[in-house]
Amino acid sequence: GEDVEQSLFLSVREGDSSVINCTYTDSSSTYLYWYKQEPGAGLQLLTYIFSNMDMKQDQRLTVLLNKKDKHLSLRIADTQTGDSAIYFCAESITAAGNKLTFGGGTRVLVKP
Amino acid sequence: GAVVSQHPSWVICKSGTSVKIECRSLDFQATTMFWYRQFPKQSLMLMATSNEGSKATYEQGVEKDKFLINHASLTLSTLTVTSAHPEDSSFYICSARDRPTYTQYFGPGTRLTVL
Repeated sequence: GEDVEQSLFLSVREGDSSVINCTYTDSSSTYLYWYKQEPGAGLQLLTYIFSNMDMKQDQRLTVLLNKKDKHLSLRIADTQTGDSAIYFCAESITAAGNKLTFGGGTRVLVKP
Repeated sequence: GAVVSQHPSWVICKSGTSVKIECRSLDFQATTMFWYRQFPKQSLMLMATSNEGSKATYEQGVEKDKFLINHASLTLSTLTVTSAHPEDSSFYICSARDRPTYTQYFGPGTRLTVL
């Protein structure tokens, strides 16, 4: 079945690294995504990783995928106050028509 | 690139009226669009998948007669909330899928308040 889980909250100091974790249960995931949502706004695609990759880096963002443990993480280097938001991971399964299944979201608070 | 707009951004209506929300992909064609609903401090719940030129596919528990979806062109999908009631108040978000990569790009959302 499809189930994506995230921790609810993360507090981090400005300038430190943030690591947001996500676990999923469906091993047939094709793509895994990270989205950012600021208050009252829609979702902004941050990055995605194909299921045959282990790692992807894009500027301050690093995505790690452990397929064996079905664990996905997003590392934000040099976290800024503008990074305060809710972060959603999502999986996409080809066999399910590439619909997205979202985790519950992790609220990240960056303290100055 | 890959910009999705929604209109209106917020709407307040009286109970019993119908409200139409538009979702447009501005710089790409989307044969498939999705409609989500988000309650405060919760994740997104997929309501339906909108396919250009055909009927929408609704998720279990979503009333298709209440939430009418029309996807008349490759850049426009509409969601009409019919006979709205206060319990329909929510944040409605659409997404458009970019066909080559199957990536979904999201609109900014529409906040509906039914009095």
